[in-house]
Amino acid sequence: AQSVTQLGSHVSVSEGALVLLRCNYSSSVPPYLFWYVQYPNQGLQLLLKYTSAATLVKGINGFEAEFKKSETSFHLTKPSAHMSDAAEYFCAVTNNNAGNMLTFGGGTRLMVKP
Amino acid sequence: NAGVMQNPRHLVRRRGQEARLRCSPMKGHSHVYWYRQLPEEGLKFMVYLQKENIIDESGMPKERFSAEFPKEGPSILRIQQVVRGDSAAYFCASSPRERGTGELFFGEGSRLTVL
Repeated sequence: AQSVTQLGSHVSVSEGALVLLRCNYSSSVPPYLFWYVQYPNQGLQLLLKYTSAATLVKGINGFEAEFKKSETSFHLTKPSAHMSDAAEYFCAVTNNNAGNMLTFGGGTRLMVKP
Repeated sequence: NAGVMQNPRHLVRRRGQEARLRCSPMKGHSHVYWYRQLPEEGLKFMVYLQKENIIDESGMPKERFSAEFPKEGPSILRIQQVVRGDSAAYFCASSPRERGTGELFFGEGSRLTVL
C-alpha cells in the first residue's frame, strides 16, 4: 500500500520569498515520486519527478524537490516565489508494482502576495 | 500534437439523469486512467483501462458508475442516475505503456454539476 500526506492545505508567501511545500509518502517498495501543478479550471501538469536517480530533482519554472529516504519526504521548493506560481500543487507516489497508478496527496494551495 | 482531450468540459445534470464523459488519450497512448476530484480534495483513482479491457476498477463506486475504452473511439466514463454527491471534476490521464516511470498526461477535466 502507498499513501501521500501533504502538510498544509494552504500556504501563503510573499512575492520573492522562499516556497516550501511539504510532502511525506509511505511505500513498502522503492517509490517513484511526482509533483504536479494545477492552475484554476485546468488539468494537472507535471512539475518534476523522482525515479531513483539523483535525489535532488529539478523541474520546470524553477522548482526543485529533494528525495530523502530517511525522512520519507519529497518536499517541493522554489527560492523566489512569483505571482504566476499561485496554483494548487499535488504530490503523488507510485512504484514499480503499481505501475502508472498514482496515489495523490490532498493538495496544497499556494497563494502569493504582492 | 494534441494532448489528452476531454469533453464536455462542463456538464450540468439533474438528479436521476445520466452523465457521459469522454476522453481521447494522447496519440500513441493505449492506457487510460480516470480520476475524480471532489471539491477541496485531491485526486482519487477510479479506473484503469487499456483498449477493450478494464485492468483495475478498484476505485470505482460499486453502483451507477461504469467505464469503457473500445477498440475504436474515446474512453467513456458513464454515471447513471446521478446524485448531488457525484458533482466533481473528472480527470482522464493517459500513458504510452503500463509500466514506466509513472508519468501520466492529464486532460483538462470534465466538471460535472448535479442540480
